[in-house]
Amino acid sequence: AQTVTQSQPEMSVQEAETVTLSCTYDTSESDYYLFWYKQPPSRQMILVIRQEAYKQQNATENRFSVNFQKAAKSFSLKISDSQLGDAAMYFCAYRNIQGAQKLVFGQGTRLTINP
Amino acid sequence: DAGVIQSPRHEVTEMGQEVTLRCKPISGHDYLFWYRQTMMRGLELLIYFNNNVPIDDSGMPEDRFSAKMPNASFSTLKIQPSEPRDSAVYFCASSGGLAGGREQYFGPGTRLTVT
Repeated sequence: AQTVTQSQPEMSVQEAETVTLSCTYDTSESDYYLFWYKQPPSRQMILVIRQEAYKQQNATENRFSVNFQKAAKSFSLKISDSQLGDAAMYFCAYRNIQGAQKLVFGQGTRLTINP
Repeated sequence: DAGVIQSPRHEVTEMGQEVTLRCKPISGHDYLFWYRQTMMRGLELLIYFNNNVPIDDSGMPEDRFSAKMPNASFSTLKIQPSEPRDSAVYFCASSGGLAGGREQYFGPGTRLTVT
């Protein structure tokens, strides 16, 4: 079974600075998807970024980028120029491409932005 | 598109009562997922459907939980009888359509409190 681990329960960063959230996962599959979801206090789950394992290029969405290290099974999220609106819980998630379609989530990292 | 719609947003009930949570997926999506979020267990899949057919219900805690999808635009998650340990946020998510089902789009969740 696949597992996802986020080893940082909480992180904080100064506004306008850069922060990196860590995620590791375990799978025997060679092709899969990885995601970062954001959950603000409203509790809405918002997709931040997606990475396909067969792509070597790291995904980027505006201020959000990932460092995908397939051999190390590592998938970190970098937030540049942090803004107050980035404060939220961040969840790393894994999904098979074939077979089971469910998302497997990490435990989450609570990100605080200090003004 | 209105996104995934869930109702009610909040539900408070007494132990032993029947609870029904409702979900309308995004039009054109052929996968529907029910997740539960608790402090102790995090985000976990309960069940998911493909083309209205249940595919994996291994996450359903026990016989008190049941889910149905009578058509492509509606699903229910029922708990009967409810217990205090069922208190959680229940999310419905859908995927599919032209995007090929890579992303799952979440509804706003239903916060259930069983007293």
